[in-house]
Amino acid sequence: SQTIHQWPATLVQPVGSPLSLECTVEGTSNPNLYWYRQAAGRGLQLLFYSVGIGQISSEVPQNLSASRPQDRQFILSSKKLLLSDSGFYLCAWSVLAGEGGQFFGPGTRLTVL
Amino acid sequence: AQSVTQPDIHITVSEGASLELRCNYSYGATPYLFWYVQSPGQGLQLLLKYFSGDTLVQGIKGFEAEFKRSQSSFNLRKPSVHWSDAAEYFCAVGEGSYIPTFGRGTSLIVHP
Repeated sequence: SQTIHQWPATLVQPVGSPLSLECTVEGTSNPNLYWYRQAAGRGLQLLFYSVGIGQISSEVPQNLSASRPQDRQFILSSKKLLLSDSGFYLCAWSVLAGEGGQFFGPGTRLTVL
Repeated sequence: AQSVTQPDIHITVSEGASLELRCNYSYGATPYLFWYVQSPGQGLQLLLKYFSGDTLVQGIKGFEAEFKRSQSSFNLRKPSVHWSDAAEYFCAVGEGSYIPTFGRGTSLIVHP
């Protein structure tokens, strides 16, 4: 069966510090991968998606970036965090056709102070 | 462009009562429709999905949803709510591509 992992689960970082969140998927090949952010009391905001290694599409201009160094690994990064980067970050995967719905990881709670 | 509207930000029900969460979509063709549930501090879990065929779809945890093309709706229902159903519920619409559009979510509060 397929599983998706995210770490760390929680993170408290000062403004201006770098960020690296990691997501890995097991039990499937060539998945579509996604990074979402949820601000408190708000819906899902799609940040990045990837259809293959090295293929990243950005949905929202910001100081975040994403990379996919391996088929089942998706990394969210920032060189300098802003207060507004605080939120709940969710990684998800889907099959290539996207017909089966998306499967989400447990999330990372990021607080920028 | 496709869009999803969940008109209720919060819904409060008593335990044991029936539940209906509303979802309206805007899309030109037959959409792929999904309902997800998110418990506090957790990721989203897929409850059910509709692609074609029978318009009444059964999902996990006793939930069902009905696709009504004439009303552009895909409402989620449960005949008897349990306290553990308290969570955030998201409706989503896709087009067979890989980027579905999510609604803003409905927060379900269950009173004992």
